[in-house]
Amino acid sequence: KQEVTQIPAALSVPEGENLVLNCSFTDSAIYNLQWFRQDPGKGLTSLLLIQSSQREQTSGRLNASLDKSSGRSTLYIAASQPGDSATYLCAVYNAGNMLTFGGGTRLMVKP
Amino acid sequence: DADVTQTPRNRITKTGKRIMLECSQTKGHDRMYWYRQDPGLGLRLIYYSFDVKDINKGEISDGYSVSRQAQAKFSLSLESAIPNQTALYFCATSDVIAGNMNEQFFGPGTRLTVL
Repeated sequence: KQEVTQIPAALSVPEGENLVLNCSFTDSAIYNLQWFRQDPGKGLTSLLLIQSSQREQTSGRLNASLDKSSGRSTLYIAASQPGDSATYLCAVYNAGNMLTFGGGTRLMVKP
Repeated sequence: DADVTQTPRNRITKTGKRIMLECSQTKGHDRMYWYRQDPGLGLRLIYYSFDVKDINKGEISDGYSVSRQAQAKFSLSLESAIPNQTALYFCATSDVIAGNMNEQFFGPGTRLTVL
């Protein structure tokens, strides 16, 4: 059974810092990997989708990397802003298009 | 208009009541999914449907049932709600292209509180 772990569970940083969120998964036989943002009590906003043949994706200040062999993905946020405060969820696509989610990293960026 | 809609968006009910959450999509996707999210946790799969005649249990199906009324509609029912079913519920859809993993698209969620 696939298990997805996100470390740290919570993170507080001052505005302007570059930061890295980590995601690890136990079964490397994944297909895609996706990062989501979730504001408190709200829905999911897709940030980046990395296909299995890719090693990274970039969107603005966000960069996500994927290393299937080591079972890891990282989400890099450059020059963090208070508006980046949210929970970030990592999810992996397994056989049959089934998604397994991590528990999320709750990010607070202080002005 | 949103591609994946969920109704109601918020619901408060009492223990023992029957509740139905509805999901509709205009994306023309064959596959639909129901997830629940508990505070501080990721989403867990309740049921999924690959087409109107194909419904499957997910990781946490006990206490839930589903109905796929049409390609565009997938409903989740709690036959007799209990307090530990208080959660945020999400519906999702995906296309199917042979051999590929296809992105799931999520609805806005339904917040359910069982008193």
